[in-house]
Amino acid sequence: GAVVSQHPSRVICKSGTSVKIECRSLDFQATTMFWYRQFPKQSLMLMATSNEGSKATYEQGVEKDKFLINHASLTLSTLTVTSAHPEDSSFYICSALQGSNYGYTFGSGTRLTVV
Amino acid sequence: GENVEQHPSTLSVQEGDSAVIKCTYSDSASNYFPWYKQELGKGPQLIIDIRSNVGEKKDQRIAVTLNKTAKHFSLHITETQPEDSAVYFCAATPLSGTYKYIFGTGTRLKVLA
Repeated sequence: GAVVSQHPSRVICKSGTSVKIECRSLDFQATTMFWYRQFPKQSLMLMATSNEGSKATYEQGVEKDKFLINHASLTLSTLTVTSAHPEDSSFYICSALQGSNYGYTFGSGTRLTVV
Repeated sequence: GENVEQHPSTLSVQEGDSAVIKCTYSDSASNYFPWYKQELGKGPQLIIDIRSNVGEKKDQRIAVTLNKTAKHFSLHITETQPEDSAVYFCAATPLSGTYKYIFGTGTRLKVLA
């Protein structure tokens, strides 16, 4: 089946630094990937839709200059949290769309802790 | 826009009993309804899905039913086991356009041994 690899699984960074999270589709090409944020005991909140070769589409309230998304190839999307602050600490999850007749495949998530 | 409600938020059952989780959606254009299981610290895993042209689908101990008229769908887990303990999310999408999923709020299932 479709596999999405997400790295790193955990990262701790200092306030003010930037962190990059990678999301790779291993055995299929994904023209569309999605980035979610999940707070403890809450549902998944869509942050942005990443389309290969074009700018990401951000959901309302998500700062595009803070959460930089790059989808430079059909198998890789990256999320960079810039100038991270403690309130950015969360669980970030990517998902990839395999094709129009298939559902999402999710990555394993990244636990970001900003200290 | 689409809105998905999920109930209950928590559910405790004895091992071997059945568990049922229900979701309702608002957008009649939604035609794909997946269910995901999320274990602590991990990403969601697809466990079963159903499309709008089907009323029921079963995979071993897991089944999903869909009532398009009433706009609700349910997850049924029979003969529950402790390893079924997790958070379950339903979702709805038209599988077209933006392909966005709208997720339910999640159900924390605890299977008591």
